[in-house]
Amino acid sequence: QQQVKQSPQSLIVQKGGISIINCAYENTAFDYFPWYQQFPGKGPALLIAIRPDVSEKKEGRFTISFNKSAKQFSLHIMDSQPGDSATYFCAASDSGGGADGLTFGKGTHLIIQP
Amino acid sequence: SQTIHQWPATLVQPVGSPLSLECTVEGTSNPNLYWYRQAAGRGLQLLFYSVGIGQISSEVPQNLSASRPQDRQFILSSKKLLLSDSGFYLCAWNTQVNTEAFFGQGTRLTVV
Repeated sequence: QQQVKQSPQSLIVQKGGISIINCAYENTAFDYFPWYQQFPGKGPALLIAIRPDVSEKKEGRFTISFNKSAKQFSLHIMDSQPGDSATYFCAASDSGGGADGLTFGKGTHLIIQP
Repeated sequence: SQTIHQWPATLVQPVGSPLSLECTVEGTSNPNLYWYRQAAGRGLQLLFYSVGIGQISSEVPQNLSASRPQDRQFILSSKKLLLSDSGFYLCAWNTQVNTEAFFGQGTRLTVV
């Protein structure tokens, strides 16, 4: 599987601050880029996703920025809250690559300090 | 609405014992089904996926196998567990490639 490299591995942000998580990919055929949020002991849940026809997508406090030429995308969490403390995974998939699912980054453990 | 059920939630098994984890999906037909394993600091590793009954594709050579006896049922098995099989196992489904994947609540497997 093609890699998706995610950084940082862990992140501590003060309440009200901006949390930024970055991902880079190699496979230029990737055309779907979701972010998943996972709380301890639970399965991941889709947070927000983007396709390469746009450079930015915003849903509430969550924004994906996408740079196709650099093969990078990032998640920004504005006004970060303690309830945002979780593990975040970026992922990517290729619509022409069969049903073999998403390639995930290794995750970022985010802690929002009150 | 669609739901996914995965059980058991936790499991402690001795080395060399068999394994059977079950996942079922409700509210949809002919889903793509997936088994992932999550290890600390290593993200989610795709183990198996299935696009239909009896159709299983393996991504990683391992001590595990998968089966899909019914359209909405996906089973992860092992004949003899190894210590290295410990981890958090997640079942997921989607309706089409490149659409949202829905995950179950996971099974925490500890092999002792």
